[in-house]
Amino acid sequence: SQTIHQWPATLVQPVGSPLSLECTVEGTSNPNLYWYRQAAGRGLQLLFYSVGIGQISSEVPQNLSASRPQDRQFILSSKKLLLSDSGFYLCAQTGGVYNEQFFGPGTRLTVL
Amino acid sequence: AQSVTQLDSHVSVSEGTPVLLRCNYSSSYSPSLFWYVQHPNKGLQLLLKYTSAATLVKGINGFEAEFKKSETSFHLTKPSAHMSDAAEYFCVVRAGGFKTIFGAGTRLFVKA
Repeated sequence: SQTIHQWPATLVQPVGSPLSLECTVEGTSNPNLYWYRQAAGRGLQLLFYSVGIGQISSEVPQNLSASRPQDRQFILSSKKLLLSDSGFYLCAQTGGVYNEQFFGPGTRLTVL
Repeated sequence: AQSVTQLDSHVSVSEGTPVLLRCNYSSSYSPSLFWYVQHPNKGLQLLLKYTSAATLVKGINGFEAEFKKSETSFHLTKPSAHMSDAAEYFCVVRAGGFKTIFGAGTRLFVKA
């Protein structure tokens, strides 16, 4: 079965500082991986998805970037955080016969 | 193009009474439809999925949903609400490609 790990679980960072959130998956090879952001009172916003190592598609222009250095590792980064980057970040992968998405536990980011 | 609309942002029920969370979708293709549940500060958990095998789909925790093509609906129901059902629920459509479209979410409150 698939397992998704996200690190860290919570993070408080000052405006202008860098960011690195990590997502690792187990139990599958060559997964499609996704980063979502969930801001307070809003639904899920797809930020990036990746179909393989080094392949990143960005859904919205923003202050963030993503990288996939290994098959089962997906990293979300920023050089300088903004207040608007605060939110709950979820990593997901598709799996199963009908390509349903499975989610990690999330990272709560607060930018002060 | 695909879209999904959750008709209620908040639903409040008393414990032991039925639950109805409404979802309408739009898709040019034969869609796969899903319901997810999210408890506070947690990742999303798959409740159930429709994949054209049967129009009435049973999921975990006593939830079920009925796919009605003529109404383009996929409403989530449960005969008797429990306090532990209080959470946010997302209706999701997937119709080809790598992207999954999430509804805005419905927050379910359960009163004792």
